Amino acid sequence: DAGVIQSPRHEVTEMGQEVTLRCKPISGHDYLFWYRQTMMRGLELLIYFNNNVPIDDSGMPEDRFSAKMPNASFSTLKIQPSEPRDSAVYFCASSIKGEGAGETQYFGPGTRLLVL
Amino acid sequence: AQTVTQSQPEMSVQEAETVTLSCTYDTSESNYYLFWYKQPPSRQMILVIRQEAYKQQNATENRFSVNFQKAAKSFSLKISDSQLGDTAMYFCAFTLYGNKLVFGAGTILRVKS
Repeated sequence: DAGVIQSPRHEVTEMGQEVTLRCKPISGHDYLFWYRQTMMRGLELLIYFNNNVPIDDSGMPEDRFSAKMPNASFSTLKIQPSEPRDSAVYFCASSIKGEGAGETQYFGPGTRLLVL
Repeated sequence: AQTVTQSQPEMSVQEAETVTLSCTYDTSESNYYLFWYKQPPSRQMILVIRQEAYKQQNATENRFSVNFQKAAKSFSLKISDSQLGDTAMYFCAFTLYGNKLVFGAGTILRVKS
């Protein structure tokens, strides 16, 4: 079975541009998480969905960030306008809730974003 | 709020030797999960091992095992017969049911030949 798929793997953009990151969770998983990793703040949750519904978006830094999950197999994280401080690795992860699932989150390869 | 602390920023070990990475956490909950993830230079987050808090038996996965001390809120990772491919950043993480992962700051492990 394919793992979590993220695209693009690398993104270089200029300040002020819109950036869209994409994620396809593992088929059948009902939770989807967006994390950001920086040297200063480590790994932190931005937002997560359960059955396509946003549950906790308290980690979204500001209104420039938005996330959607229009269906069970696709999610986007959008930054508009982008700023240099948004440079980071963005991870998508998915999990399935149920007996024996262990609440394990499986991560995609990440998108390395550089905002110039 | 839940917190995870990894007190060892960096560690090194000789190939074939055993190393233990430390992790402590803080929570008032009684049911939760603990994980160790490995992040090699490729940046991929790879699950190493997981432990359910309600299980007293320590989890093992091949060369990887944990020492889970629930009362002490301690969750250390032991790597036996270290291999060069074990060189990576290791993150300890905690989650409640259907919730976000809370990560420690990570420990860089270098395996030397």
